[in-house]
Amino acid sequence: RKEVEQDPGPFNVPEGATVAFNCTYSNSASQSFFWYRQDCRKEPKLLMSVYSSGNEDGRFTAQLNRASQYISLLIRDSKLSDSATYLCVVNSGSARQLTFGSGTQLTVLP
Amino acid sequence: DTEVTQTPKHLVMGMTNKKSLKCEQHMGHRAMYWYKQKAKKPPELMFVYSYEKLSINESVPSRFSPECPNSSLLNLHLHALQPEDSALYLCASSQETDTLSTGELFFGEGSRLTVL
Repeated sequence: RKEVEQDPGPFNVPEGATVAFNCTYSNSASQSFFWYRQDCRKEPKLLMSVYSSGNEDGRFTAQLNRASQYISLLIRDSKLSDSATYLCVVNSGSARQLTFGSGTQLTVLP
Repeated sequence: DTEVTQTPKHLVMGMTNKKSLKCEQHMGHRAMYWYKQKAKKPPELMFVYSYEKLSINESVPSRFSPECPNSSLLNLHLHALQPEDSALYLCASSQETDTLSTGELFFGEGSRLTVL
C-alpha cells in the first residue's frame, strides 16, 4: 500500500462546479498535512495546510479525518484557472518523511 | 515570481558530459533540497542540506553530486548520466528541516534535463 494515495483523475468539470478530492495516508503517526498545486510544467506551490478543525481559504476548503486517515480538498465555483494537478502532502516528522501523493489532475472546462 | 531561482531552465547533455545545476534563494532559509520529478509522478526527494551540511541522501547514485557552497546556494553536479535520468530537477528551500510542520517548501521552477 502506498503511503499517500490519491485518485489520479483526471477530473473534468464545468466552470462553476464544485469538485472534491480525497487523499488517504497509511502512517497513523503523520503530523501535518498539506495540499500543493502544480500547474503543467511548473513547480509545486503550497495551496493550503490542513488542520484538524478544517480550514477554508476563499473557495477552497480542506478537511482532515485522523480516525479514517484521510484528507480532503473541496473547490467551490471552479474557475478555468483552477486547472492543475493537486498534490496531497503528508509530513511524518522530518524532511525525509514529507511524502507526496501522486496528484489528482483537474481540468475546468468553459 | 518564484523566490528560488534555478539555472539552467533546460539542459541537454550526453552520457559522457559533466554539467551542473544551480539553485539560489535569498529568503534566509537554512534548509535546501533537491527533488527529481518524472512526468505525471510526484517529486522524489534526492538530497537535503541543513545549515549547509548534507543531512539526507536518499541513496542517490554517485553520478549525482550535491554541493552547498553557502547558505544561499545549492548545486547539483552531474556526470556520466543515463537516459533514464532525464527528468525535471526541482530545488526547494524551507526555513529549517525541523519546522516542516509548516509544510511550506518553496520550489524553484526546475531544470528540465534531457540525457541523450
